Amino acid sequence: SQQGEEDPQALSIQEGENATMNCSYKTSINNLQWYRQNSGRGLVHLILIRSNEREKHSGRLRVTLDTSKKSSSLLITASRAADTASYFCATAGGSSNTGKLIFGQGTTLQVKP
Amino acid sequence: GAVVSQHPSRVICKSGTSVKIECRSLDFQATTMFWYRQFPKQSLMLMATSNEGSKATYEQGVEKDKFLINHASLTLSTLTVTSAHPEDSSFYICSARAPLWPYEQYFGPGTRLTVT
Repeated sequence: SQQGEEDPQALSIQEGENATMNCSYKTSINNLQWYRQNSGRGLVHLILIRSNEREKHSGRLRVTLDTSKKSSSLLITASRAADTASYFCATAGGSSNTGKLIFGQGTTLQVKP
Repeated sequence: GAVVSQHPSRVICKSGTSVKIECRSLDFQATTMFWYRQFPKQSLMLMATSNEGSKATYEQGVEKDKFLINHASLTLSTLTVTSAHPEDSSFYICSARAPLWPYEQYFGPGTRLTVT
């Protein structure tokens, strides 16, 4: 079953603008990860944030995690047309360490040149 | 980064036939691999966890006799869709779990299955 909800479901912005996507989840986690998927392709791992971390940066990506609200956000700064893709959050863990990832519903981002 | 391959990338089969999809970790050993299914414009749904040398663990609602998983080696897991029907048409994605913490998952490029 899907654990996470993401909003917005779809986002359309102009190149150069920032894009923010949000993810909420329901149970305790060990970490939360963000992935990108271009249409009809596999997933590309973007960033992993552990449950004891609050913020993480990687290049133009900034991820925050609020475990009290069970939510995370992904910010892409200075967006480019090549950032057009679907973005998914995925949660791992809780008390078990099965490695299972539960994916959110995803946000489809369109960056217009 | 680590590479995971899937074969075939696309397959079209007739209703009633069986299709095997391979998932390989190319440069690391993976005791655990995962199989996901993705319908158009939807998210990934975990189908099963494939463990090397033991039986796969299926998620609730996934028919184990329909989707046969074999993890015969540390670099190969296979998913066989038996007696395929048009409703099995989907995008199937595998991932392989890295052997060391934080046990990152590396995803294959996916297999598009179309059952006619």
